[in-house]
Amino acid sequence: KAGVTQTPRYLIKTRGQQVTLSCSPISGHRSVSWYQQTPGQGLQFLFEYFSETQRNKGNFPGRFSGRQFSNSRSEMNVSTLELGDSALYLCASSSLMAGELFFGEGSRLTVL
Amino acid sequence: AQTVTQSQPEMSVQEAETVTLSCTYDTSESNYYLFWYKQPPSRQMILVIRQEAYKQQNATENRFSVNFQKAAKSFSLKISDSQLGDTAMYFCALVAPTPHLPDTGANSKLTFGKGITLSVRP
Repeated sequence: KAGVTQTPRYLIKTRGQQVTLSCSPISGHRSVSWYQQTPGQGLQFLFEYFSETQRNKGNFPGRFSGRQFSNSRSEMNVSTLELGDSALYLCASSSLMAGELFFGEGSRLTVL
Repeated sequence: AQTVTQSQPEMSVQEAETVTLSCTYDTSESNYYLFWYKQPPSRQMILVIRQEAYKQQNATENRFSVNFQKAAKSFSLKISDSQLGDTAMYFCALVAPTPHLPDTGANSKLTFGKGITLSVRP
């Protein structure tokens, strides 16, 4: 069974640009969540999608958005990038066990 | 609000020895789950062990076991017979299932601690 796949793995953007990250969950998993990982703040929950609906949202500004498609694939978008958005963005999918997440390798975003 | 605290930023252990990683948490929920996740260098994070708060028995997974002290809100991870492959960052995490959706797996809003970097020395 293929794991969680995130693309792109690395990207560099400049302030003010926008970025879209993609995540393909494990086949059969309907829940996809996104986390931001930075050295200073650690892992912070962005949002969770289940059956194309956003179920939970973390405390991030509206510049951070996401969506989920009918095949459970998910994208997250960050508009008007700021230097502080530089981070590893992790996607995770989940099946039936609460909190049991299967993570992708992440997309490392650098904002210059 | 839920909080998870890992006060030790780094630890080191000799191969084959035992090490304990500490974690404390706070939540007002009566039903919750606790986890330890492992993030090896440049590799994806994986679940190490899971503990349901309503279970008194400590969870065990091969060389990994927890000491769950509910009253003290403490959840430590013990790694026995440490191996070089155990070198990683370890995160303690907590989730409280959404009440109207009991244990569907759809509540993925985990609260993580800041993590501890564990180095296993050969």
